[in-house]
Amino acid sequence: DTEVTQTPKHLVMGMTNKKSLKCEQHMGHRAMYWYKQKAKKPPELMFVYSYEKLSINESVPSRFSPECPNSSLLNLHLHALQPEDSALYLCASSQGPPGGNYNEQFFGPGTRLTVL
Amino acid sequence: AQTVTQSQPEMSVQEAETVTLSCTYDTSESDYYLFWYKQPPSRQMILVIRQEAYKQQNATENRFSVNFQKAAKSFSLKISDSQLGDAAMYFCALMNYGGATNKLIFGTGTLLAVQP
Repeated sequence: DTEVTQTPKHLVMGMTNKKSLKCEQHMGHRAMYWYKQKAKKPPELMFVYSYEKLSINESVPSRFSPECPNSSLLNLHLHALQPEDSALYLCASSQGPPGGNYNEQFFGPGTRLTVL
Repeated sequence: AQTVTQSQPEMSVQEAETVTLSCTYDTSESDYYLFWYKQPPSRQMILVIRQEAYKQQNATENRFSVNFQKAAKSFSLKISDSQLGDAAMYFCALMNYGGATNKLIFGTGTLLAVQP
């Protein structure tokens, strides 16, 4: 199984809503990532988890709250988002640990988020 | 600071022809990896090809090959016998070897159109 899955595929939410994005992988990878991607732009790294611990937060606003309940699952909790947060949110995983040998990142299909 | 530059926002190629996408980068590290990722419209980002900086031999994957010029910090992608399915956004990316995290630095992307 070389797949990263993300749910939901599409999400529309109001600025007062609370929602969550889910990412799952069963490749035994120990590093997981959240990216934000605007149309026709490269992905921007948001968070990195290594061995279920947050290792990088790229100064992301607190209205985005990541969670890694176990080594296979990564969540992104959303609260009080702004319309400019509308984007494709990509999850990725890699073998880990960070550093050392090469670690290919496998990407999920993304969740397309629209904030009204 | 590490940067990746793709100077061609859009490219077009005829089916069965060859096209070369350009990428230059800047890093102060001596050990790193370079990647080309492909992202078709509304589809998943996948790894096309990777190159370890310590290897002098250019990487090849079927119809895809790279021209890696370490001294010039250049990493171009050649697609031979272009197919309609090659139409996508292509991102060049850099990852330092042995760093604290496997952080990918992406270029701005090149949108490739394949004409039948």
